[in-house]
Amino acid sequence: DAGITQSPRHKVTETGTPVTLRCHQTENHRYMYWYRQDPGHGLRLIHYSYGVKDTDKGEVSDGYSVSRSKTEDFLLTLESATSSQTSVYFCAINLGGNTEAFFGQGTRLTVV
Amino acid sequence: TQLLEQSPQFLSIQEGENLTVYCNSSSVFSSLQWYRQEPGEGPVLLVTVVTGGEVKKLKRLTFQFGDARKDSSLHITAAQPGDTGLYLCAGEKTDKLIFGTGTRLQVFP
Repeated sequence: DAGITQSPRHKVTETGTPVTLRCHQTENHRYMYWYRQDPGHGLRLIHYSYGVKDTDKGEVSDGYSVSRSKTEDFLLTLESATSSQTSVYFCAINLGGNTEAFFGQGTRLTVV
Repeated sequence: TQLLEQSPQFLSIQEGENLTVYCNSSSVFSSLQWYRQEPGEGPVLLVTVVTGGEVKKLKRLTFQFGDARKDSSLHITAAQPGDTGLYLCAGEKTDKLIFGTGTRLQVFP
């Protein structure tokens, strides 16, 4: 089984502070994704990566940046958190050579 | 813009009933995937359909991909409380998945 670990699992932060969420995989999967999940919206893609230092924007990338300096780690940063970024964040990797996704357990972020 | 619309959004039924969840779009997808998500967990892949008109069965769950590869349906026969969860469809477009809005299913004993 592909292993994905997201950290932290829960975080409460204040408006205007920077926040970094980490996604770590134990396999050597090339593609990694960050999604946010909000009621009524399903999962929306924030950013994704197709290799070390290769990243691209998703449909809701404003206010977020990502970095991938190693194959196993994909970091999501909120430079200055806002209340609208309160959400559950999921990291995912591709299984095999297609887009079938294996998800982490999520990070619940609350911005107060 | 939500490319994939699911209906219904919520469904509460009794054990033993049948149900169908729909996933509709005006876009064509390379494949269509269905996921199930339980509270506090990430979505888990149930099935992938690739060919227009394709039907796949997973025990009591039947998945169909529309002929034009724009829509899909999930039919559950004789629902059980263990089927309770959030069902998400996702269409594949150029190395990315576009997720639907989700259908929250509650099956009562």
